[in-house]
Amino acid sequence: GAGVSQSPSNKVTEKGKDVELRCDPISGHTALYWYRQSLGQGLEFLIYFQGNSAPDKSGLPSDRFSAERTGGSVSTLTIQRTQQEDSAVYLCASSPLSGRQETQYFGPGTRLLVL
Amino acid sequence: GDSVTQMEGPVTLSEEAFLTINCTYTATGYPSLFWYVQYPGEGLQLLLKATKADDKGSNKGFEATYRKETTSFHLEKGSVQVSDSAVYFCALGNSGNTPLVFGKGTRLSVIA
Repeated sequence: GAGVSQSPSNKVTEKGKDVELRCDPISGHTALYWYRQSLGQGLEFLIYFQGNSAPDKSGLPSDRFSAERTGGSVSTLTIQRTQQEDSAVYLCASSPLSGRQETQYFGPGTRLLVL
Repeated sequence: GDSVTQMEGPVTLSEEAFLTINCTYTATGYPSLFWYVQYPGEGLQLLLKATKADDKGSNKGFEATYRKETTSFHLEKGSVQVSDSAVYFCALGNSGNTPLVFGKGTRLSVIA
């Protein structure tokens, strides 16, 4: 079946512009995660959605970052007034349920470059 | 808080060599442990996992055993192939609604 998809695959923007990154999780998966992968770093958790519960935003690095999930499916990560340090690969993952044993299924990522 | 430490790469091996990538963790409670792999140009995918102490995860010739006494989950493969060249991430999943905690990744290059 279809996996997690993300768009765009690559995004180049100028410092100060806003960007929107999209994630389509696997159908029926209730949990959705956003991570950031910077060069030489591991994966940094950003935000997590589980069903209709309030999202866990504890990983968002600043108030320029926000995310929403509409209808329990598609999610959009928005970065306002982008900075060069925002350049990274943004990864989305979904899982059927939340829980410590659950496998997360990752999308291919969006590579963001802020000039 | 929870954390994962894995050996830094890059690791370069000849084909058919033995592979070990070390991973240790710090966590409260009873976490699950994962190895994810990222092949060139692709997204992360699960390689194997173990959900309780002494469990062994295995897949594609790779193995890792959940050792609570040494808080480790080292990845091993007896004979690597060129196609195993990738970045390997050790990760930890803990109580209900927390995201995975990842190590920084180890890049493996296998040469023919």
